[in-house]
Order: sequence, then C-alpha cells, then structure tokens
Amino acid sequence: DAGITQSPRHKVTETGTPVTLRCHQTENHRYMYWYRQDPGHGLRLIHYSYGVKDTDKGEVSDGYSVSRSKTEDFLLTLESATSSQTSVYFCAISEYRTGTGGSGELFFGEGSRLTVL
Amino acid sequence: RKEVEQDPGPFNVPEGATVAFNCTYSNSASQSFFWYRQDCRKEPKLLMSVYSSGNEDGRFTAQLNRASQYISLLIRDSKLSDSATYLCVSPWGGSQGNLIFGKGTKLSVKP
Repeated sequence: DAGITQSPRHKVTETGTPVTLRCHQTENHRYMYWYRQDPGHGLRLIHYSYGVKDTDKGEVSDGYSVSRSKTEDFLLTLESATSSQTSVYFCAISEYRTGTGGSGELFFGEGSRLTVL
Repeated sequence: RKEVEQDPGPFNVPEGATVAFNCTYSNSASQSFFWYRQDCRKEPKLLMSVYSSGNEDGRFTAQLNRASQYISLLIRDSKLSDSATYLCVSPWGGSQGNLIFGKGTKLSVKP
C-alpha cells in the first residue's frame, strides 16, 4: 500500500472554528489532491498540488485553502467551518499527472471524517 | 461541468453470477477511463484502466464504446469479496487535468 497518512482520522468541531487536515506521504509523488465524499455525490476535488508551493483550485474550493511547503505534506484548512463541510475528506497522491492524456491512478489515504456541529 | 453517470444500484446477485455495470460519460475527448473499487467506509482503490476498446483482468472485463460514450464493467463468477461500490472515472480537461468520479454502483454478492 502507498504510504499516505491522514490526520486526524476523525474530528468533531463547531461552526466557525478553523480546522486543518494533514496529509503526509512517503512516496515522493509530485501530485497531491484533496477530495471530499458525500452521500449522493461522487468524489469531488477541492484543491490539488503539482509541486511544492504549486497549488490550484478544484471543483469545490470555496471555503477551503491549502498549502504545500514540503513534497511530503499537503494541508487542507477550513478557515471557518460550516455544517455543509461535514464530510469525509480523502487525500490522494499520484506519480504522474492525471486527466486527459495522463494517468488515472490515484492512491488514496484512509480518509478523515469531519463533523461540523 | 463534465459528467459521469452510473446506475447507483444496489445490484444484489448470488455467488457465481455474472453482473455488468454501465457508465456514461460526457467528455468525448477522453482517451482513457478507470474503474475504482471502494469498500464500505474505506478509501477507493484502482481496479482497472480502460484504454482503446477494453481491458481484461481475470474475472473482470472493462469495455469502452466511444460511439455511445459509455464504458462497462463485467464481473464473472462473482465472489462474496466482490461486494463493494464500483466507481467509474473519466479524465476531465483543463490545463492540469483531473478526474471526474461517478457516484458509484453498489454491488452486493449473496451466498
């Protein structure tokens, strides 16, 4: 299994509080991603990174920010959590670019279950 | 937004049955597609890649029909351990490119 660790695995917080989720990889892969998964929706991309300090928005980026200061770490921050951000968050990594003409192989972490009350 | 549509199921089949899932996609420029498997409360994992016409891996066969813009996953001789949700994935265009995940098809294999 790919070396991807997400922390925390479970968190309950209150509306308006900041939350940071951490993704740590030991594979030295260039690309890292944050997805959220909700009932009735497929996995939706929040933000992704294609290198240290290189990040870009995904489909559902509002209310989220990310940072990648080292190859191995990709942080997802909810500046002021809302109940609509209650979800399961998955970090993923890939060695090659995904998308049209690229690879489709993502390795996912075990997920972080966030509940915002 | 590019879409990937799947029948959510659930598909309830007996052991040993053959079952097929279809997935339709809207990005006609896509050259490759993927099936991921996700066990309950676990992370998704790549099951198969589908390039050109199709791909076969043991009991699993994935086929691509570009004219009708759908891909299919066929599972022969179903096992209890095949019970999972199967996610259809299509590339999405853009400068970096990313993946669009379907909502998944749930399969339950019964003894």
